[in-house]
Amino acid sequence: GAVVSQHPSRVICKSGTSVKIECRSLDFQATTMFWYRQFPKQSLMLMATSNEGSKATYEQGVEKDKFLINHASLTLSTLTVTSAHPEDSSFYICSASLVQDYGYTFGSGTRLTVV
Amino acid sequence: AQSVTQLDSQVPVFEEAPVELRCNYSSSVSVYLFWYVQYPNQGLQLLLKYLSGSTLVKGINGFEAEFNKSQTSFHLRKPSVHISDTAEYFCAVSDLLAGTASKLTFGTGTRLQVTL
Repeated sequence: GAVVSQHPSRVICKSGTSVKIECRSLDFQATTMFWYRQFPKQSLMLMATSNEGSKATYEQGVEKDKFLINHASLTLSTLTVTSAHPEDSSFYICSASLVQDYGYTFGSGTRLTVV
Repeated sequence: AQSVTQLDSQVPVFEEAPVELRCNYSSSVSVYLFWYVQYPNQGLQLLLKYLSGSTLVKGINGFEAEFNKSQTSFHLRKPSVHISDTAEYFCAVSDLLAGTASKLTFGTGTRLQVTL
């Protein structure tokens, strides 16, 4: 089946630094990738939708200059958290849409801790 | 706009007992419906989905769900749970947009806790 590989699974960084999270579709082409954020014991909140070769569409309240999303190819989308602060600590999950069978496949998530 | 309500934040159940996790949705258009399971520090795994056709949908791990349009519900059921079913379960909906990837809207999740 369709697999999305997300790396890293865990990252600890210092406040003020930037962190890049990668999501790769291993055996299919992901024209659309969704990025979610999940706080402990809460649901997934959509941050942005990215389409290959175009600018990402951000949800209301999400700072596009802080959460940079790049979808330069059909198999790779990245989320960069710039100038990270402790409040950015969270679980980030990517998801690729599978238009052909109207499904979604999720990465395994990245636990970001900013100290 | 769509919304999803999962009525129970936690459901404790004994092993081998049946369980039902409730999900109601609201939408002004037709929707696709999904149930996902999440284990600690992991991504989401699809249990089942309703796109069209039979309102009773069978998924993996013995789970099934029934789409009820009049009650706008999509409750998840399993006749006999196992300890390994302990996890967080999310109900989700997306718009019916043919040929286009539409975002998923998630419920707040239900924690299923199975004990001996």
